[in-house]
Amino acid sequence: GESVGLHLPTLSVQEGDNSIINCAYSNSASDYFIWYKQESGKGPQFIIDIRSNMDKRQGQRVTVLLNKTVKHLSLQIAATQPGDSAVYFCAEKSKTSYDKVIFGPGTSLSVIP
Amino acid sequence: DVKVTQSSRYLVKRTGEKVFLECVQDMDHENMFWYRQDPGLGLRLIYFSYDVKMKEKGDIPEGYSVSREKKERFSLILESASTNQTSMYLCATTQGQRQETQYFGPGTRLLVL
Repeated sequence: GESVGLHLPTLSVQEGDNSIINCAYSNSASDYFIWYKQESGKGPQFIIDIRSNMDKRQGQRVTVLLNKTVKHLSLQIAATQPGDSAVYFCAEKSKTSYDKVIFGPGTSLSVIP
Repeated sequence: DVKVTQSSRYLVKRTGEKVFLECVQDMDHENMFWYRQDPGLGLRLIYFSYDVKMKEKGDIPEGYSVSREKKERFSLILESASTNQTSMYLCATTQGQRQETQYFGPGTRLLVL
């Protein structure tokens, strides 16, 4: 069945370093991928998305990479700051599922000052 | 900016009680969703609605019902609360079928005793 998972449930990085959060997905029909950030006590917040016709997309301090060959998605955060500490979710969607998004379990990122 | 609000941040209820969780959005979005979030399980879709008075079951609808009498409001109902429904409940919206970014509310943390 469909599933989205994260390789590492927790990640600790030094402030100023780059962070890489990984995600594996299993549905070959997925054509849209999203990364969300969830801070403690808040709902998930959209960070960046990518469609399956792209390999890379950049935002402000964040980059998402998509490798369709191995069904792998990653989120790179440059110069990680204490405010980046949160749980990060990847999510996938396919054309066959009407607005239905499948979320991964999340990776907790801790930034060490 | 899209604003999604949920009626309560924290709720404590007793087993067997009927519980109403309200979600309101102010951006005229067509689609609304209810998820529950549990440690290690990520976000799981309970119900969603793509129009007023329309509802569709998600992955875990058992023990829940929903109501969408107005476009801006989507209610989640626990007919007879049970302890296994203790969870974080998140409401989300999307503008339409092609607008795939989900905007989340702050969440309601429900404890059923």
